[in-house]
Amino acid sequence: GQQLNQSPQSMFIQEGEDVSMNCTSSSIFNTWLWYKQEPGEGPVLLIALYKAGELTSNGRLTAQFGITRKDSFLNISASIPSDVGIYFCAGRIGSSNTGKLIFGQGTTLQVKP
Amino acid sequence: GAVVSQHPSWVICKSGTSVKIECRSLDFQATTMFWYRQFPKQSLMLMATSNEGSKATYEQGVEKDKFLINHASLTLSTLTVTSAHPEDSSFYICSASYRAREGYTFGSGTRLTVV
Repeated sequence: GQQLNQSPQSMFIQEGEDVSMNCTSSSIFNTWLWYKQEPGEGPVLLIALYKAGELTSNGRLTAQFGITRKDSFLNISASIPSDVGIYFCAGRIGSSNTGKLIFGQGTTLQVKP
Repeated sequence: GAVVSQHPSWVICKSGTSVKIECRSLDFQATTMFWYRQFPKQSLMLMATSNEGSKATYEQGVEKDKFLINHASLTLSTLTVTSAHPEDSSFYICSASYRAREGYTFGSGTRLTVV
């Protein structure tokens, strides 16, 4: 089946540092999504990418849809304590809003004040 | 907009009983909803795709007779865990798509503990 390989698995950084995480796949996806999940909550959408090569920002977050459509990265600049959580990449199968999502394994981010 | 409400947020039940979890799209209609299960420190695993007015599509390895899904209206999908056992204890999350070009919105999840 289709799988997403997300790395790193966890990160422990100092407040103010930049963070980078990425996802790769052997399969092509038409949409890449990045979510953040906090304990006991559902994932919250951070950035959605729809086109190969697309680079999109949302505040201190920047994500890119790889040219090959098989990878994506998420950068967080100038991290703050509230960035703590688990970040997931997800690839959507198909182009409609009924296509299912495949999730990466997640990156756990801890920020030291 | 694009809010998905999930209820209950947590439930404890005895082994052998059934539990129903509701997922509602509050301000939009969702012809398709998705149900996920998440074990501690793991990723979300898609269980099934819930289609309004038709049968759900289950992922490989998910028992359809154990996890009953009903999508009776454009704003409500339910997941019933039948004859629950301790190994069914998990975090169950639903999601729905608001618009074709937007990522899916997730509910806040339901923590099921079977004792």
